[in-house]
Amino acid sequence: GAGVSQSPSNKVTEKGKDVELRCDPISGHTALYWYRQSLGQGLEFLIYFQGNSAPDKSGLPSDRFSAERTGGSVSTLTIQRTQQEDSAVYLCASSLVGGQAGNTIYFGEGSWLTVV
Amino acid sequence: RKEVEQDPGPFNVPEGATVAFNCTYSNSASQSFFWYRQDCRKEPKLLMSVYSSGNEDGRFTAQLNRASQYISLLIRDSKLSDSATYLCVVSSGTYKYIFGTGTRLKVLA
Repeated sequence: GAGVSQSPSNKVTEKGKDVELRCDPISGHTALYWYRQSLGQGLEFLIYFQGNSAPDKSGLPSDRFSAERTGGSVSTLTIQRTQQEDSAVYLCASSLVGGQAGNTIYFGEGSWLTVV
Repeated sequence: RKEVEQDPGPFNVPEGATVAFNCTYSNSASQSFFWYRQDCRKEPKLLMSVYSSGNEDGRFTAQLNRASQYISLLIRDSKLSDSATYLCVVSSGTYKYIFGTGTRLKVLA
């Protein structure tokens, strides 16, 4: 597609439920990132995928968070047993190749998660 | 100390004013620098990359000072539509992009 596509745009879930957030990167982009932004806060790195390499999961805040990227394209971020502090906007981004100076990353519109 | 620091603002300026933001970074090995713009409840969008020699895009000018480890963004002839949060982004050439928390700009009529 023309840009990074994320779904759902908005999700309200009950505490303790699992949620899945989907990201479809820009066609041809091999690098994919997930960030989280809480209200009024900066962007927090969660996870990075580059092609078929092992992902960098160092930013995932707890073992309730996991992410997959199938076929080097679409990615799913899963949050198990959601807590109220998980409420945030989850932003996916992609770039042509990760790890190159000057490489630009492009963001999707985000998935707004509210845990009640 | 945060890796990338910005004054959160808000900077309230009248239309037509010139305004400048600075951003400091702590990693001297940083290689790539960007300014992103984020509107309320929207995703960040690339405003401009920052090059060593400085660069200009219309009313926007970005500068890099490696010795002092800061980058700046100058906006001339401010428009109401420039009201947004401006994010400083730094990368050491790896895939890790470090975002500042942003500087809020409000351009007043």
